[in-house]
Amino acid sequence: QQQVKQSPQSLIVQKGGISIINCAYENTAFDYFPWYQQFPGKGPALLIAIRPDVSEKKEGRFTISFNKSAKQFSLHIMDSQPGDSATYFCAASYKTGANNLFFGTGTRLTVIP
Amino acid sequence: NAGVTQTPKFQVLKTGQSMTLQCAQDMNHNSMYWYRQDPGMGLRLIYYSASEGTTDKGEVPNGYNVSRLNKREFSLRLESAAPSQTSVYFCASSTRGDLIPHFGDGTRLSIL
Repeated sequence: QQQVKQSPQSLIVQKGGISIINCAYENTAFDYFPWYQQFPGKGPALLIAIRPDVSEKKEGRFTISFNKSAKQFSLHIMDSQPGDSATYFCAASYKTGANNLFFGTGTRLTVIP
Repeated sequence: NAGVTQTPKFQVLKTGQSMTLQCAQDMNHNSMYWYRQDPGMGLRLIYYSASEGTTDKGEVPNGYNVSRLNKREFSLRLESAAPSQTSVYFCASSTRGDLIPHFGDGTRLSIL
């Protein structure tokens, strides 16, 4: 079964708006939560990541919000730009080694000029 | 600085044909991985190699074999391709114990 549930499947946002993608998990052993960005024809690339000892991490226009008690985390893209149009994957891991990294199903973001 | 290089980029096969997907990394990483990406399924781990000389099954290994040829190269083989194996295949690598795999740009494989 899907270890990490991601929504929405697709998202359309106006330029300058806020894009929000949500993920949820059940395994409380997960202790690392990265987000990946993937452009068409390319492999996923790490965007930002968080560990559960903090509730928020911000890097430029990208913010991860983490709610440990609800077992949910989300990606917020502020001032969304057409160049942000891509597919975003959340993921979760509970041990060292990327063989223990579980991905969400992805969100295709389209930012309209 | 190439990172992770996958060949070929595109391939069309007929059911029952065999094929080997090649992957090489130049980052001196110990661990390498093969994922498949399907619409609505995210990325799923097929096989991985924690270090040179070792390989282990991931989440969806059936129908595939792998070879860790040396530290740089990790190949994925389909012995008898099936339409269900139509997918985009990604190779990735990481340092030992690193949670951040670095991905190649994928091989788009269609099986008719």
